[in-house]
Amino acid sequence: NAGVTQTPKFQVLKTGQSMTLQCAQDMNHNSMYWYRQDPGMGLRLIYYSASEGTTDKGEVPNGYNVSRLNKREFSLRLESAAPSQTSVYFCASSEGAGGIYEQYFGPGTRLTVT
Amino acid sequence: DAKTTQPPSMDCAEGRAANLPCNHSTISGNEYVYWYRQIHSQGPQYIIHGLKNNETNEMASLIITEDRKSSTLILPHATLRDTAVYYCIVRVVGSQGNLIFGKGTKLSVKP
Repeated sequence: NAGVTQTPKFQVLKTGQSMTLQCAQDMNHNSMYWYRQDPGMGLRLIYYSASEGTTDKGEVPNGYNVSRLNKREFSLRLESAAPSQTSVYFCASSEGAGGIYEQYFGPGTRLTVT
Repeated sequence: DAKTTQPPSMDCAEGRAANLPCNHSTISGNEYVYWYRQIHSQGPQYIIHGLKNNETNEMASLIITEDRKSSTLILPHATLRDTAVYYCIVRVVGSQGNLIFGKGTKLSVKP
């Protein structure tokens, strides 16, 4: 099993450009998450999907949109990138959305917006 | 979810046990204690979790005090590969959504 995979690994955007970060999991998990991590900080939740067909906002959703394409895939879109969105983005998945389920993380996408 | 307090950094000699403390004095009865770690530039990795009993798995042991106000993660024989930031998180059993990551403890394992 590959676990949670993310593409691309690195990306540089100019202000105003758009892009989509891709995430896929092969563990048959119901719930998926997008976090961002700024230098020296903990992770903050952007959006999550408790189950296929549902999405909910997290702590820092502004400037982002998400799509739960199917049970395996959960994408994050930046419509008009801003320098404040320079960060490392992590996707995660878990068997369920409840507090007893551990989350498994991907390797991250390092995004720089100039 | 309850707030946690961890020391910002700790050192440990290679081969010795690493004991990482966490204070969660406001924890309530339906909150689990989770530990994750993040090795430099990688995604966080789940280590262990518990409710009130001590737990052990192939990676670590988790000791929770009887009053549940604090816990200790024990890496029995630390290696250089265990150098990472360790996060203690408390989470309501029925909650949905995110894990709340604080700043964690930076563990440095030295030869």
